[in-house]
Amino acid sequence: KNEVEQSPQNLTAQEGEFITINCSYSVGISALHWLQQHPGGGIVSLFMLSSGKKKHGRLIATINIQEKHSSLHITASHPRDSAVYICAVNEGGSQGNLIFGKGTKLSVKP
Amino acid sequence: NAGVTQTPKFQVLKTGQSMTLQCAQDMNHEYMSWYRQDPGMGLRLIHYSVGAGITDQGEVPNGYNVSRSTTEDFPLRLLSAAPSQTSVYFCASSYGQGFYTEAFFGQGTRLTVV
Repeated sequence: KNEVEQSPQNLTAQEGEFITINCSYSVGISALHWLQQHPGGGIVSLFMLSSGKKKHGRLIATINIQEKHSSLHITASHPRDSAVYICAVNEGGSQGNLIFGKGTKLSVKP
Repeated sequence: NAGVTQTPKFQVLKTGQSMTLQCAQDMNHEYMSWYRQDPGMGLRLIHYSVGAGITDQGEVPNGYNVSRSTTEDFPLRLLSAAPSQTSVYFCASSYGQGFYTEAFFGQGTRLTVV
């Protein structure tokens, strides 16, 4: 069983739609990261959170530590939001390494 | 700031050849790590370092070697390339001893072993 599960694996939306990507994890964590990967490009950090909610522009990330669940929301989606969104958790401890989900491929149609 | 710089961006190797993937960061980050990304799988940790002179193995270290002689550089060496090492490789860094703060990634190296 994967320690970090994302859903859906693929998502197609029309421009302007509200989008939700989910991440569930089975381990105790000290932090959760949401990352974005454009086709052929590198990976950029969107959020790092350990509790509550964070907002940056049209992106909102929430986390529920008790339920071991996080969501990434995109409001008023745009074709430039098309990318793979990756959830990764930091188990904490002395190493602080990340465990990654397999990613959610989002395609926003004009 | 350049952030995390990886070179080369693309590379084709023949089976048995060796090569070094370069990774450099200019943010004075203690923590650096290498991952490989394969289709249908999440990124997997190859090796990591929590500071100059300190390295450790991750989930998939076989066939790879690392060293950390300076804070800035963390090269990944393929000792004898195999087709199973065909993958996209990412270097990442963070302030502190792990990903307790924002993660910074390089642009990736797409490696094909024929």
